[in-house]
Formats: sequence, structure tokens, C-alpha cells
Amino acid sequence: DAMVIQNPRYQVTQFGKPVTLSCSQTLNHNVMYWYQQKSSQAPKLLFHYYDKDFNNEADTPDNFQSRRPNTSFCFLDIRSPGLGDAAMYLCATSTVRGPLHFGNGTRLTVT
Amino acid sequence: AQTVTQSQPEMSVQEAETVTLSCTYDTSESDYYLFWYKQPPSRQMILVIRQEAYKQQNATENRFSVNFQKAAKSFSLKISDSQLGDAAMYFCAYRVYRDDKIIFGKGTRLHILP
Repeated sequence: DAMVIQNPRYQVTQFGKPVTLSCSQTLNHNVMYWYQQKSSQAPKLLFHYYDKDFNNEADTPDNFQSRRPNTSFCFLDIRSPGLGDAAMYLCATSTVRGPLHFGNGTRLTVT
Repeated sequence: AQTVTQSQPEMSVQEAETVTLSCTYDTSESDYYLFWYKQPPSRQMILVIRQEAYKQQNATENRFSVNFQKAAKSFSLKISDSQLGDAAMYFCAYRVYRDDKIIFGKGTRLHILP
């Protein structure tokens, strides 16, 4: 089945230690998104790609970076995680004008 | 600015009954999509139903239907014959045709009472 896969499901990192979350898709969608979701809150868009065009939200901290080396893969890099960055990180894909297809998410814990 | 408002943080419904979740949005655009997403506890977010703004007919997916009132900028979700598996967080979302961004409301947590 075509899907969006996020690895790992759970990630524990230390305060200030860089961490990378990954996302892959077999849907061949143009658009890939990274959302941050804290407990019982709405997903907050961090950035998205339309093909290789990168779109950063104005309020996304500089601490967060992203890479999309090809259509299938997208990475979220957190350069110096703080305690406030502990959250569920959701990757999603879509076609132009289509609905989002989400992965299972990566739950990040910062110790 | 485009916003999506869900005024009910939590709701409860008896199993087999009908429940309606409210959503309003603010936009100056005429062409857009609206969505309802379901996020069960510790599980993947999935699409429940979508509505194109240019369509007057309300979308329906099995037990799920919407009441789309474009002039009032209202997009409510009705769940008929509620089942225990419907317990989840429900998010209303909005997308402009010409944009890739999808904006979410704060969500409504739905409890199903056996």
C-alpha cells in the first residue's frame, strides 16, 4: 500500500544534541510537510516543500531545518533541541489541491 | 488572515446516537477546500471527509456527513450511529486552491459513552 513512513516512532535526545527525523513516501506526491504537534493541540506547520521549492513558516525557529534530497524523502533536523521542542512531529504529503496524507509521527523526547 | 475555529474543545455522545461537531472559518477567498481529520489516541491522523467550496451539495462518507454553509462560513461534521471507534480528536482544516498550506482548527475531542 502507498503510504507515508516516519522513522523512528520514538526518539529520545539530550538537550542541545542535534537530532534528525526522517520521512519517506511511496505516494509520489509533490508536496511534503512537517508539522509539530504538542499534546492535545492542533498541528503547527513548520515548513513544506513543493517539489524542491522550500517554504518556511515565519514563526518556525531557526533551530529547525529541513532537507528534501528527492521526491520520496524529507528530513527534519533540529540543531540544538530544547525542552520546549518535545512534541510529536508529523510528516504529511499531498498532491496539488489534495488532502494531506499523514505518517504515524515521531514522538520526540528531550532530556 | 485565514483562521479556523472549533468552539467545542470536548464533546460526549452516547453510542449509537448522532453528534455534530462545529467549525467556522474566516477567509476572503472564494475557491478553497475544507476537511475533517480524525486523530485517534496515539494513532495516525486520517482524512474523514472533504468538501470543495464550489460544490453546493454536502459531502457524505458513510456515517459521516457535513453541513456546509458557504455564506455563513460554517462547516459542521455530523456523525450518525456513533461507535466506540469514533472516539478521537477531530480537526477541521482549510486549504486555499492556490496555496499548499493547510490550516487546522484547535480540535474537538469526542468521547463515545457505551
